[in-house]
Amino acid sequence: GEDVEQSLFLSVREGDSSVINCTYTDSSSTYLYWYKQEPGAGLQLLTYIFSNMDMKQDQRLTVLLNKKDKHLSLRIADTQTGDSAIYFCAEKDTGRRALTFGSGTRLQVQP
Amino acid sequence: DVKVTQSSRYLVKRTGEKVFLECVQDMDHENMFWYRQDPGLGLRLIYFSYDVKMKEKGDIPEGYSVSREKKERFSLILESASTNQTSMYLCASSPTVTYGYTFGSGTRLTVV
Repeated sequence: GEDVEQSLFLSVREGDSSVINCTYTDSSSTYLYWYKQEPGAGLQLLTYIFSNMDMKQDQRLTVLLNKKDKHLSLRIADTQTGDSAIYFCAEKDTGRRALTFGSGTRLQVQP
Repeated sequence: DVKVTQSSRYLVKRTGEKVFLECVQDMDHENMFWYRQDPGLGLRLIYFSYDVKMKEKGDIPEGYSVSREKKERFSLILESASTNQTSMYLCASSPTVTYGYTFGSGTRLTVV
């Protein structure tokens, strides 16, 4: 079945870049997503990338997709304390009507 | 903005009780979902619905049922609550299967 994996924790200093990584197993993935969850809140869609793209940039966020290695990353430039949250990778493949989520990466930004 | 509202932020229920978790969305979305979130496990899909009165099992449907009598409302039912159903429950909706989801704020359920 589908599997989406992420490391559980990342700590960076304010002003540095953060890179959050995700791997997935399903080769029929069509869309891949990044969500952010702040404490006590639901998930908020940050960005998504279609599987025929290899990069997408949106202000401080850059998404890189290596389809051959089934590897997705989210780079946050100039990380701020307000970026502290849990970041979830999710994928949509052709065989399922719903998204499959990873376990989430907790990003801690040190002042 | 699309809004997904979950009726309770926190719930405490006793083992064996029947529990209803309610979710309402206000943007006429076709698809609605229930996930549970547990530390280290991420989000796991319980059930989803792609139309009124239509439902489909997710990855962990055991012990749960759902109801979608109206397009805007999707209810999750724990038939007989057990302690291993203590979790954060997240409802989401989307207009299409590939469009990003809008999530509610979650219901933290504790079964004692």
